Amino acid sequence: LAKTTQPISMDSYEGQEVNITCSHNNIATNDYITWYQQFPSQGPRFIIQGYKTKVTNEVASLFIPADRKSSTLSLPRVSLSDTAVYYCLVAGNQGGKLIFGQGTELSVKP
Amino acid sequence: GAGVSQSPSNKVTEKGKDVELRCDPISGHTALYWYRQRLGQGLEFLIYFQGNSAPDKSGLPSDRFSAERTGESVSTLTIQRTQQEDSAVYLCASSLGGDSRVQPQHFGDGTRLSIL
Repeated sequence: LAKTTQPISMDSYEGQEVNITCSHNNIATNDYITWYQQFPSQGPRFIIQGYKTKVTNEVASLFIPADRKSSTLSLPRVSLSDTAVYYCLVAGNQGGKLIFGQGTELSVKP
Repeated sequence: GAGVSQSPSNKVTEKGKDVELRCDPISGHTALYWYRQRLGQGLEFLIYFQGNSAPDKSGLPSDRFSAERTGESVSTLTIQRTQQEDSAVYLCASSLGGDSRVQPQHFGDGTRLSIL
């Protein structure tokens, strides 16, 4: 199972764009990259998933370089409500099992 | 609501007692997962059910932990002879299928278990 490394914490201000980078050097060919968001006292919530290049949805963008050894979650114009822990996961077909690291604690300040 | 429902939301019990945690997945979701999250940590996989296949129990930390699922509906996680190290939030998730590459998991808000 591919291991991921991401910063433990990040600070930002309202209205700024936030980029969280995740390293996954031993990603396998059939692995996808998935990001989840978790607020205090809640379960994680799926944000975005991708295999290569760029994926965009109404919440975020995910940038994946050609070698796929890293990925960057981009949150445009963050607000206070984006304060949460963000988890980067690399998921192959291991029967659904997800391996969560410690995540990145994002703190958005006014 | 249409989300994953877990009960109870909080459980406080004495060391040595048995506890049973319940998860109601989203209707139609064939896959169901249990995770444990200790304070300030990421999620730790416990067990996974997919349809009628044998469950993947590879994450269960000891034989005091067990889980059952009836068909494609409710699941219960049982911890026998609880110990203080079992204190954590227990999260349940469900998904349409078992391939986590393309089927996102939908999580409940967990049961916070405290062992005195």
